[in-house]
Amino acid sequence: DIVMTQTPPSLSVTPGQPASISCKSSQSLLHSDGRTYFYWYLQKPGQRPDLLIYEVSNRFSGVPDRFSGTGSGTDFTLKISRVEAEDVGVYYCLQSHSLPLTFGGGTKMEIK
Amino acid sequence: QVQLQESGPGQVKTSETLSLICTVSGGSISIYRWSWIRQPAGKGLEWVGRIESSGNTHYNPSLNGRASMSVDTSNNHFSLRLTSVTASDTAVYYCGRGMFPGVTAMDVWGKGTTVIVSS
Repeated sequence: DIVMTQTPPSLSVTPGQPASISCKSSQSLLHSDGRTYFYWYLQKPGQRPDLLIYEVSNRFSGVPDRFSGTGSGTDFTLKISRVEAEDVGVYYCLQSHSLPLTFGGGTKMEIK
Repeated sequence: QVQLQESGPGQVKTSETLSLICTVSGGSISIYRWSWIRQPAGKGLEWVGRIESSGNTHYNPSLNGRASMSVDTSNNHFSLRLTSVTASDTAVYYCGRGMFPGVTAMDVWGKGTTVIVSS
């Protein structure tokens, strides 16, 4: 199985400040079809996970442009340019390059 | 706009079989891949398995062959069966739709249903 390692496990951010989360995979997520099957989700308290970013850097429909994703191969980053109170929750990365799909352990973000 | 709704018994006895259904509304179950994902209370997400509208399946090996999925295209729903359950199967179970045809990663999720395994 591909192991997804997220850091940090938690972070506390002042509203208006930037935030960054890292996710590293145990093997490259670049598929032979040229696409990289890497995703970011946000699970707000008591809710289902919501897709934020797909295939490394594409914002899902309705996701604010303060969220951005970068990376390639095995190293990926989610950046929030200016954190808002509604961004609180647990962020997960996901790979679907290989079965079984595997998630990162999560990064819990709180607002100061 | 497609929506997913999980349903099933909230409680299952140890060693028995857990059965859940995911009903798809607002769109066709055809051409997409459909997954089950679970989350024990206070813990992370675990992908359980997926099924295609053709009936092809793939399960997480961590479940040791206990999982099976089926699809009912006529009624636009798919289901999960998990046999010989133990307390470690207690979790919120989500169903999800693959984002694009041929892609398993989920863009739409149900709200989840809680399953408690107890003796």
